Amino acid sequence: GENVEQHPSTLSVQEGDSAVIKCTYSDSASNYFPWYKQELGKGPQLIIDIRSNVGEKKDQRIAVTLNKTAKHFSLHITETQPEDSAVYFCAASYGNQFYFGTGTSLTVIP
Amino acid sequence: GAVVSQHPSWVICKSGTSVKIECRSLDFQATTMFWYRQFPKQSLMLMATSNEGSKATYEQGVEKDKFLINHASLTLSTLTVTSAHPEDSSFYICSARDGTGGPTNEKLFFGSGTQLSVL
Repeated sequence: GENVEQHPSTLSVQEGDSAVIKCTYSDSASNYFPWYKQELGKGPQLIIDIRSNVGEKKDQRIAVTLNKTAKHFSLHITETQPEDSAVYFCAASYGNQFYFGTGTSLTVIP
Repeated sequence: GAVVSQHPSWVICKSGTSVKIECRSLDFQATTMFWYRQFPKQSLMLMATSNEGSKATYEQGVEKDKFLINHASLTLSTLTVTSAHPEDSSFYICSARDGTGGPTNEKLFFGSGTQLSVL
């Protein structure tokens, strides 16, 4: 089955700096890679996603890159703000199968 | 669009009672719904996958007689924790996969979660 690894597990950045979270996957059949943001006591919220036929996607301050050959994808958050503090999960998917990373707790220091 | 509503957001019950959690896709048809359990500071643990009108598929180690899942329509799935015990206390989250073919087709959206505390 698919195995998704996510790093780092915790990340602290100064407000205004960039944050990068990286994930790797093992199954080349995975073709859809969403990222979720989860605030304390709430369900995960889809923030950006990318399909395997695209190498990069950007939405305002967040971007995702995908390297299919190396089987890794990354989330980039620029100009971080305190409200970006949360736990972020990556996932790799094929059909109805979704495999989640172990999460990254991001803290943005004002 | 693509809103998944989950209720209740928290529930406290006595040991031995049953608790039902509802998950509704408000503006899309969810051909597949998933139920997860999440322990503090941990990732999502898939409990079961359900397709509308079919029996749920449970992950290994999840008791299907304890965690009853019903997916009777394309917009509603329920999870019933039967004869709950303190070890069932956890954060339960549902998710729904959009199968409408629209802009959010095939994407997975989560409910807001239910914190269950069994006394």
